Amino acid sequence: GENVEQHPSTLSVQEGDSAVIKCTYSDSASNYFPWYKQELGKGPQLIIDIRSNVGEKKDQRIAVTLNKTAKHFSLHITETQPEDSAVYFCAASWGFGNEKLTFGTGTRLTIIP
Amino acid sequence: ETGVTQSPTHLIKTRGQQVTLRCSSQSGHNTVSWYQQALGQGPQFIFQYYREEENGRGNFPPRFSGLQFPNYSSELNVNALELDDSALYLCASSLEGTDTQYFGPGTRLTVL
Repeated sequence: GENVEQHPSTLSVQEGDSAVIKCTYSDSASNYFPWYKQELGKGPQLIIDIRSNVGEKKDQRIAVTLNKTAKHFSLHITETQPEDSAVYFCAASWGFGNEKLTFGTGTRLTIIP
Repeated sequence: ETGVTQSPTHLIKTRGQQVTLRCSSQSGHNTVSWYQQALGQGPQFIFQYYREEENGRGNFPPRFSGLQFPNYSSELNVNALELDDSALYLCASSLEGTDTQYFGPGTRLTVL
Protein backbone atom coordinates (compact mmCIF):
# COMPACT_ATOMS: atom_id res chain seq x y z
CA GLY A 1 0.00 0.00 0.00
CA GLU A 2 0.86 3.66 -0.16
CA ASN A 3 3.28 5.15 2.37
CA VAL A 4 3.73 8.90 2.81
CA GLU A 5 6.67 10.40 4.67
CA GLN A 6 6.66 14.03 5.77
CA HIS A 7 9.47 16.31 6.92
CA PRO A 8 10.21 18.18 9.08
CA SER A 9 8.05 17.20 12.04
CA THR A 10 8.41 20.69 13.52
CA LEU A 11 9.26 23.99 11.87
CA SER A 12 9.66 27.46 13.33
CA VAL A 13 9.99 30.51 11.10
CA GLN A 14 10.02 34.24 11.65
CA GLU A 15 6.88 36.08 10.64
CA GLY A 16 7.22 37.20 7.05
CA ASP A 17 9.66 34.45 6.09
CA SER A 18 8.81 31.42 3.95
CA ALA A 19 8.10 27.88 5.12
CA VAL A 20 8.59 24.69 3.13
CA ILE A 21 7.26 21.25 4.04
CA LYS A 22 8.21 18.18 2.03
CA CYS A 23 6.56 14.81 1.47
CA THR A 24 7.52 11.67 -0.39
CA TYR A 25 5.17 8.89 -1.48
CA SER A 26 5.81 5.31 -2.44
CA ASP A 27 3.03 4.30 -4.85
CA SER A 28 3.65 5.57 -8.36
CA ALA A 29 -0.08 5.08 -9.08
CA SER A 30 -0.98 7.91 -6.69
CA ASN A 31 -2.15 10.95 -8.62
CA TYR A 32 -3.92 13.23 -6.15
CA PHE A 33 -2.03 15.14 -3.44
CA PRO A 34 -3.92 17.39 -1.03
CA TRP A 35 -2.56 19.44 1.84
CA TYR A 36 -4.55 19.96 5.02
CA LYS A 37 -4.16 22.43 7.87
CA GLN A 38 -5.31 21.34 11.30
CA GLU A 39 -5.72 23.81 14.12
CA LEU A 40 -6.03 22.77 17.74
CA GLY A 41 -9.37 21.12 18.44
CA LYS A 42 -10.48 21.19 14.81
CA GLY A 43 -10.66 18.81 11.89
CA PRO A 44 -8.27 19.01 8.93
CA GLN A 45 -9.05 21.84 6.51
CA LEU A 46 -8.09 21.49 2.85
CA ILE A 47 -5.81 24.36 1.84
CA ILE A 48 -4.55 23.29 -1.58
CA ASP A 49 -4.34 20.19 -3.73
CA ILE A 50 -2.57 19.10 -6.89
CA ARG A 51 -3.06 16.34 -9.43
CA SER A 52 -0.30 14.46 -11.18
CA ASN A 53 -0.90 16.13 -14.53
CA VAL A 54 0.24 19.44 -13.03
CA GLY A 55 3.71 20.31 -11.74
CA GLU A 56 2.85 23.36 -9.68
CA LYS A 57 -0.20 25.12 -8.31
CA LYS A 58 -0.45 28.42 -6.48
CA ASP A 59 -3.16 30.08 -4.43
CA GLN A 60 -2.14 33.46 -3.05
CA ARG A 61 0.61 32.81 -0.46
CA ILE A 62 0.40 29.03 -0.76
CA ALA A 63 1.94 26.89 -3.49
CA VAL A 64 2.45 23.19 -4.03
CA THR A 65 5.01 21.57 -6.32
CA LEU A 66 5.05 17.97 -7.51
CA ASN A 67 7.94 15.90 -8.86
CA LYS A 68 6.44 12.65 -10.15
CA THR A 69 9.79 11.16 -11.11
CA ALA A 70 11.18 11.55 -7.63
CA LYS A 71 7.76 10.92 -6.05
CA HIS A 72 7.82 13.93 -3.82
CA PHE A 73 5.74 17.04 -3.37
CA SER A 74 6.16 20.16 -1.30
CA LEU A 75 4.09 22.90 0.32
CA HIS A 76 5.43 26.44 0.18
CA ILE A 77 4.00 29.23 2.32
CA THR A 78 5.33 32.71 1.67
CA GLU A 79 5.04 35.86 3.80
CA THR A 80 4.05 33.77 6.81
CA GLN A 81 1.64 35.20 9.35
CA PRO A 82 0.87 34.19 12.97
CA GLU A 83 -2.42 32.61 11.83
CA ASP A 84 -0.42 30.16 9.71
CA SER A 85 0.66 28.43 12.93
CA ALA A 86 -0.93 24.95 12.88
CA VAL A 87 -0.20 21.33 12.04
CA TYR A 88 0.02 20.64 8.31
CA PHE A 89 -0.58 17.23 6.75
CA CYS A 90 0.19 16.04 3.26
CA ALA A 91 -1.75 13.13 1.78
CA ALA A 92 -1.87 10.99 -1.34
CA SER A 93 -4.48 8.91 -3.10
CA TRP A 94 -5.12 7.21 -6.41
CA GLY A 95 -7.44 10.09 -7.20
CA PHE A 96 -9.95 8.27 -9.37
CA GLY A 97 -12.67 9.68 -7.17
CA ASN A 98 -13.58 8.73 -3.65
CA GLU A 99 -10.32 6.98 -2.94
CA LYS A 100 -8.90 6.73 0.56
CA LEU A 101 -6.31 9.29 1.61
CA THR A 102 -2.96 8.17 3.05
CA PHE A 103 -1.59 10.90 5.30
CA GLY A 104 1.87 11.91 6.36
CA THR A 105 2.70 12.26 10.04
CA GLY A 106 2.29 16.04 10.09
CA THR A 107 4.42 19.15 10.53
CA ARG A 108 3.86 21.52 13.41
CA LEU A 109 4.51 24.99 12.02
CA THR A 110 5.11 27.83 14.47
CA ILE A 111 5.33 31.42 13.25
CA ILE A 112 7.44 33.57 15.54
CA PRO A 113 6.16 37.17 15.70
CA GLU B 1 -16.61 25.69 7.74
CA THR B 2 -16.94 22.50 5.70
CA GLY B 3 -20.61 21.82 6.41
CA VAL B 4 -19.68 18.45 7.95
CA THR B 5 -20.80 18.01 11.55
CA GLN B 6 -20.01 15.31 14.09
CA SER B 7 -21.42 14.35 17.45
CA PRO B 8 -20.64 14.09 20.23
CA THR B 9 -17.60 16.34 20.57
CA HIS B 10 -16.07 14.32 23.37
CA LEU B 11 -16.82 10.90 24.78
CA ILE B 12 -15.39 8.84 27.62
CA LYS B 13 -15.92 5.07 27.73
CA THR B 14 -14.44 2.15 29.60
CA ARG B 15 -12.68 -0.83 28.10
CA GLY B 16 -15.08 -3.42 26.71
CA GLN B 17 -17.94 -1.00 26.11
CA GLN B 18 -19.45 -0.10 22.74
CA VAL B 19 -19.67 3.36 21.20
CA THR B 20 -21.53 5.02 18.32
CA LEU B 21 -20.23 8.18 16.69
CA ARG B 22 -22.31 10.23 14.26
CA CYS B 23 -21.57 12.33 11.22
CA SER B 24 -23.69 14.55 9.03
CA SER B 25 -22.23 15.01 5.57
CA GLN B 26 -22.11 18.17 3.52
CA SER B 27 -25.32 18.61 1.56
CA GLY B 28 -25.37 16.50 -1.61
CA HIS B 29 -22.29 14.46 -0.70
CA ASN B 30 -23.07 10.77 -1.08
CA THR B 31 -19.72 9.41 0.07
CA VAL B 32 -18.41 9.39 3.63
CA SER B 33 -15.04 8.21 4.89
CA TRP B 34 -14.02 7.65 8.49
CA TYR B 35 -10.52 8.15 9.84
CA GLN B 36 -8.85 7.53 13.19
CA GLN B 37 -6.26 10.08 14.32
CA ALA B 38 -4.10 9.08 17.27
CA LEU B 39 -2.39 11.85 19.20
CA GLY B 40 0.50 13.31 17.22
CA GLN B 41 -0.24 11.21 14.12
CA GLY B 42 -1.88 11.69 10.78
CA PRO B 43 -5.40 10.35 10.19
CA GLN B 44 -5.65 6.63 9.34
CA PHE B 45 -8.37 5.42 6.97
CA ILE B 46 -10.94 3.15 8.61
CA PHE B 47 -13.55 2.67 5.87
CA GLN B 48 -15.70 4.44 3.33
CA TYR B 49 -19.41 4.28 2.58
CA TYR B 50 -20.99 5.06 -0.76
CA ARG B 51 -24.73 4.81 -1.36
CA GLU B 52 -25.13 3.01 1.97
CA GLU B 53 -22.63 0.26 1.14
CA GLU B 54 -19.10 -0.18 2.47
CA ASN B 55 -16.75 0.81 -0.34
CA GLY B 56 -13.26 0.11 0.94
CA ARG B 57 -11.71 -0.63 4.30
CA GLY B 58 -8.39 0.07 5.92
CA ASN B 59 -6.47 -2.11 8.34
CA PHE B 60 -9.05 -2.11 11.12
CA PRO B 61 -10.71 -5.15 12.75
CA PRO B 62 -14.39 -6.07 12.22
CA ARG B 63 -15.35 -4.58 15.59
CA PHE B 64 -15.20 -1.27 13.71
CA SER B 65 -18.38 -1.05 11.66
CA GLY B 66 -20.45 1.62 10.04
CA LEU B 67 -23.74 2.66 8.56
CA GLN B 68 -24.75 5.27 6.05
CA PHE B 69 -28.32 6.45 5.81
CA PRO B 70 -30.36 7.71 2.83
CA ASN B 71 -30.03 11.29 4.08
CA TYR B 72 -26.22 10.84 3.89
CA SER B 73 -25.73 10.91 7.64
CA SER B 74 -23.57 8.09 8.93
CA GLU B 75 -22.41 6.24 12.02
CA LEU B 76 -19.21 4.63 13.18
CA ASN B 77 -19.67 1.84 15.70
CA VAL B 78 -16.87 0.35 17.74
CA ASN B 79 -17.45 -2.76 19.86
CA ALA B 80 -15.34 -4.17 22.68
CA LEU B 81 -13.42 -0.95 23.14
CA GLU B 82 -9.70 -1.18 23.83
CA LEU B 83 -7.41 1.41 25.38
CA ASP B 84 -5.70 1.92 22.00
CA ASP B 85 -9.02 3.04 20.50
CA SER B 86 -8.54 6.36 22.28
CA ALA B 87 -8.21 8.85 19.43
CA LEU B 88 -9.87 11.61 17.44
CA TYR B 89 -12.37 10.11 14.99
CA LEU B 90 -12.93 12.12 11.86
CA CYS B 91 -15.48 11.77 9.14
CA ALA B 92 -15.01 13.28 5.70
CA SER B 93 -17.63 13.69 3.02
CA SER B 94 -17.11 13.91 -0.70
CA LEU B 95 -19.11 14.03 -3.87
CA GLU B 96 -19.27 10.93 -6.07
CA GLY B 97 -16.44 10.87 -8.57
CA THR B 98 -14.46 13.69 -7.01
CA ASP B 99 -11.26 13.59 -4.98
CA THR B 100 -11.79 16.37 -2.47
CA GLN B 101 -12.72 15.23 1.03
CA TYR B 102 -14.15 17.69 3.54
CA PHE B 103 -13.55 16.86 7.17
CA GLY B 104 -15.72 17.40 10.19
CA PRO B 105 -14.35 18.64 13.54
CA GLY B 106 -14.04 15.11 14.93
CA THR B 107 -15.11 13.24 18.05
CA ARG B 108 -12.49 12.81 20.76
CA LEU B 109 -12.90 9.31 22.26
CA THR B 110 -11.15 8.41 25.49
CA VAL B 111 -11.16 4.78 26.62
CA LEU B 112 -10.30 4.19 30.27
